[in-house]
Amino acid sequence: GQQLNQSPQSMFIQEGEDVSMNCTSSSIFNTWLWYKQDPGEGPVLLIALYKAGELTSNGRLTAQFGITRKDSFLNISASIPSDVGIYFCAGPGSNNNDMRFGAGTRLTVKP
Amino acid sequence: NAGVMQNPRHLVRRRGQEARLRCSPMKGHSHVYWYRQLPEEGLKFMVYLQKENIIDESGMPKERFSAEFPKEGPSILRIQQVVRGDSAAYFCASSLQGWHQPQHFGDGTRLSIL
Repeated sequence: GQQLNQSPQSMFIQEGEDVSMNCTSSSIFNTWLWYKQDPGEGPVLLIALYKAGELTSNGRLTAQFGITRKDSFLNISASIPSDVGIYFCAGPGSNNNDMRFGAGTRLTVKP
Repeated sequence: NAGVMQNPRHLVRRRGQEARLRCSPMKGHSHVYWYRQLPEEGLKFMVYLQKENIIDESGMPKERFSAEFPKEGPSILRIQQVVRGDSAAYFCASSLQGWHQPQHFGDGTRLSIL
């Protein structure tokens, strides 16, 4: 099936550092979505990418849709403590009716 | 969380009982999706419904699980004769149209089976 592999699994960084995480798949995706989940809450959509090569920013967050359509990257610049959480990549499955999620990257930011 | 309301937030059931999880989508949204999340894992798609119709239930177990989204009222995920393995967080999301529209998630129902 279409598996989404996220790396790294977890990151421990100092406040102010930049963060980079990625998501890869063995299959082509036509849409890449990045979500953030805080403890006890549902995921919140951060960035949606719809076109290969697309680079989109949302404040300190930047995400790119890989040119091969098999990967995507999320960068966070100048991290702050409230960036702590789990970041998930997601994309529609092969029949376009189900959404696949990666296992997440857990980010810890030390003040 | 973006207007999708799920209740209850926490539900405790004994093995063999029934669990009913409710989801009211964002105002104006007619597409509802249910996901399940185990600790330390991503969300797994279960079912996609559009008012009164099940569009895709390929991620939902064939036995004991059912979902509905009636013309009036919230979407319901029903688990009959619950077992310990059903313990998880169940999230509902809604969108204005289909998959190409962003999905907005509720804060989930945490189901614990004793």
